[in-house]
Amino acid sequence: DAGITQSPRHKVTETGTPVTLRCHQTENHRYMYWYRQDPGHGLRLIHYSYGVKDTDKGEVSDGYSVSRSKTEDFLLTLESATSSQTSVYFCAIRSTSGSTNEQFFGPGTRLTVL
Amino acid sequence: EDQVTQSPEALRLQEGESSSLNCSYTVSGLRGLFWYRQDPGKGPEFLFTLYSAGEEKEKERLKATLTKKESFLHITAPKPEDSATYLCAVPRYGGSQGNLIFGKGTKLSVKP
Repeated sequence: DAGITQSPRHKVTETGTPVTLRCHQTENHRYMYWYRQDPGHGLRLIHYSYGVKDTDKGEVSDGYSVSRSKTEDFLLTLESATSSQTSVYFCAIRSTSGSTNEQFFGPGTRLTVL
Repeated sequence: EDQVTQSPEALRLQEGESSSLNCSYTVSGLRGLFWYRQDPGKGPEFLFTLYSAGEEKEKERLKATLTKKESFLHITAPKPEDSATYLCAVPRYGGSQGNLIFGKGTKLSVKP
């Protein structure tokens, strides 16, 4: 258990509304990531953070923004949700202890955009 | 282009029937290959990291091996509780942020 929680765990919203997903970690990890998982595509990186206020885009960042004002929280915002953003969203942290660089995942948020 | 391909997409086994899952990759300068297990409705669970060709890691009925172009996840005498989707991933070439490229996974079903 890497001490990662995500909220909400499930959300249904309507097209055009803003949505914010939260990832919270308790172990002071520097690196945090947001992925989406869709059938036929696997896990794809949306945005990542390498420190407080330090973020960058992943491979599917269009329509998403992120913020990290505290080490423990990484927020993913859909400014105006679209049906194509219906997905399962996972947050991950990267362990940089020793020589390993594994990522550990949260339980996920299932988002449905109607 | 960095790429990870897993095969087969789905595998159905009888309990006790050993088999292997494949993960092939094309990435310059491999800096680790990661295996995960994912149960329905849950986040991926880390299993193994392999760093160099010839390396092997074992955990219960699972053994992961690595060559210069692919990795295998061998499952010996599987049980129904081994049913899950198995994912592999490699760090994208370039940069130090650890961004991973994932394969689409192999869905394993083990019948009693």
